[in-house]
Amino acid sequence: EVQLVQSGAEVKKPGESLKISCKGSGYSFSSYWIGWVRQMPGKGPELMGIIYPSDSDTRYSPSFQGQVSISADKSITTAYLQWSSLKASDTAMYYCARIPGGRDGHNYCDYWGQGTQVTVSS
Amino acid sequence: EVVMTQSPATLSVSPGERATLSCRASQSVSSNLAWYRQKPGQAPRLLMHGAPTGATDISARFSASGSGTEFTLTISSLQSEDCAVYYCLQYNNWPQTFGQGTKVEIK
Repeated sequence: EVQLVQSGAEVKKPGESLKISCKGSGYSFSSYWIGWVRQMPGKGPELMGIIYPSDSDTRYSPSFQGQVSISADKSITTAYLQWSSLKASDTAMYYCARIPGGRDGHNYCDYWGQGTQVTVSS
Repeated sequence: EVVMTQSPATLSVSPGERATLSCRASQSVSSNLAWYRQKPGQAPRLLMHGAPTGATDISARFSASGSGTEFTLTISSLQSEDCAVYYCLQYNNWPQTFGQGTKVEIK
């Protein structure tokens, strides 16, 4: 059974750093892209970026380039989303999702993690 | 970036009636369109991909059609468990982009 299990909810202050995780199991973790998706309250999901764990090839959506960092450790089948300096506007639910198919990463998300709520407030 | 526009924002349908949801792309995305259902407090769940084909293990009450810029998701006979927000996703162009969602509720 394919599973993506994310780390727990976080409450942070503006300016703090944060790294959340997504552990994959039940499939060949290295061979599928993992995407990170932001969903703000009452809004549609937004793809932030994707990573191919086999070689850590990473691509960022233009809106998120320079705002976050995506990484992966294939030895422990885990992907990460990281902020160096959080802002109140980063408050949202964050999902990881598997992207099946080819090496180009141009595909839908099939399996999703349960989500990690990030709250940034002074 | 391809902009996906869904309509209506909210759809109220009587039980057993048909629900028709629309999704429009700002440029052609061929048949590279997926549909998701999201219930409160849950992650989105994949319903369909490849626009009219590629159904996942969901009820046969769900069907999808369209290509290019106009797409439709149809729920043939609405049940209470279908109440949720539905999103479309284009994956023809980078970055993949979602619509803003259609909330389906029971009338």
